[in-house]
Amino acid sequence: QQQVKQSPQSLIVQKGGISIINCAYENTAFDYFPWYQQFPGKGPALLIAIRPDVSEKKEGRFTISFNKSAKQFSLHIMDSQPGDSATYFCAASMENSGAGSYQLTFGKGTKLSVIP
Amino acid sequence: IAGITQAPTSQILAAGRRMTLRCTQDMRHNAMYWYRQDLGLGLRLIHYSNTAGTTGKGEVPDGYSVSRANTDDFPLTLASAVPSQTSVYFCASSGGEANEQFFGPGTRLTVL
Repeated sequence: QQQVKQSPQSLIVQKGGISIINCAYENTAFDYFPWYQQFPGKGPALLIAIRPDVSEKKEGRFTISFNKSAKQFSLHIMDSQPGDSATYFCAASMENSGAGSYQLTFGKGTKLSVIP
Repeated sequence: IAGITQAPTSQILAAGRRMTLRCTQDMRHNAMYWYRQDLGLGLRLIHYSNTAGTTGKGEVPDGYSVSRANTDDFPLTLASAVPSQTSVYFCASSGGEANEQFFGPGTRLTVL
């Protein structure tokens, strides 16, 4: 059972455009929703994250929109640049039985290509 | 300060062989994790450890084992490798108040 569904699988955006990636989750116990960015040959790195008590979080050109009732969240990249070309993963987590670790459930990823 | 290091960077292994992937962190994080990444499937949790001396199973634990003798090291062992274990393996850690997981550079494993 896939608990976090991500779309689209791939996305091509022109430089300066807006990139939008969507995710939906099933488990209402999730309480932390990060987005990770991964460049080829590298490990994923945290880009931005949100908790369900807010509907939007913005950091520079990156914004997360969160809809708790619909169990959906999305990443918007404004003024997309060729350097943003990477694979983006949404994820959701909850604390593991109060033990202080947080198991991440990842979406399958979106490969973003920003063309000049 | 390196963060998380993984070794080897890549490995080609014959089926049936035993292999240990190494992971070391220098951030004094309590929690550590092992993921495998396969094209089209994203990252899937294999095993995790909340703190030294404890381990737990993730989504895809079969064929893998882990140990956590101390805070810094979290090796992943394939007792008898099979071709379906061909993948890129990432180690991660998290600690303190934040949920953020920090990932290592990965190990690309090919089982023939």
